[in-house]
Amino acid sequence: EVQLLESGGGLVQPGGSLRLSCAASGFTFSSHLMSWVRQAPGKGLEWISSISFSGRDTFYADSVKGRFTISRDNSRNTLYLQLSNLRADDTAIYYCTKMTTGYPYYFDNWGQGTLITVSS
Amino acid sequence: DIQMTQSPSSVSASVGDRVTVTCRASQGVNGWVAWYQQKPGKAPKLLIYGASSLQSAGPSRFSGSGSGTDFTLTISSLQPEDFATYYCQQAYSFPPLPFGGGTKVEIK
Repeated sequence: EVQLLESGGGLVQPGGSLRLSCAASGFTFSSHLMSWVRQAPGKGLEWISSISFSGRDTFYADSVKGRFTISRDNSRNTLYLQLSNLRADDTAIYYCTKMTTGYPYYFDNWGQGTLITVSS
Repeated sequence: DIQMTQSPSSVSASVGDRVTVTCRASQGVNGWVAWYQQKPGKAPKLLIYGASSLQSAGPSRFSGSGSGTDFTLTISSLQPEDFATYYCQQAYSFPPLPFGGGTKVEIK
């Protein structure tokens, strides 16, 4: 059974930083693209970042480009998201997602999410 | 970038009703559209991919159709557990991977 377990969320001040982790199990982690999707309170889903199998290629939404960094450690089956220069509008639940095998890419498994609140 | 527009934003329906949700892409997406179901307080779940393929373990009352720019999610006979918010997503052009704005299916 695929499991994705996020951690690292919490309350952070504007301008602050945070690192999210996602521990993956139940599948061959290194064979799948991985992504982060967020959802602001009461709002819809927003794709924010994806990373290739090896971690060499990374992709970002314009809303987070230059502030967030996605990475992975295939030896630890763990996905990361480093968030910097946080703003109030980054307040959201952040979901770790596994992508389907091969293109086209859908989000076929989701973690339970971790809440980040950006507030002073 | 491709934009995904869902309609309606909400729909009220009764158990047993047939419910249809539509999603329009700003350009052709080759049928590479997914639908997700999200219940309150829960993570989304992949329901349909490739416009019409039901994800494993998905109930057969859910179906998807469409091509080009226009896509539809249909629930043939609404059940109590189907009250949720549904999102479409295009997978043709990556990155980005945008979602539609969501359709909340509520109890009438």
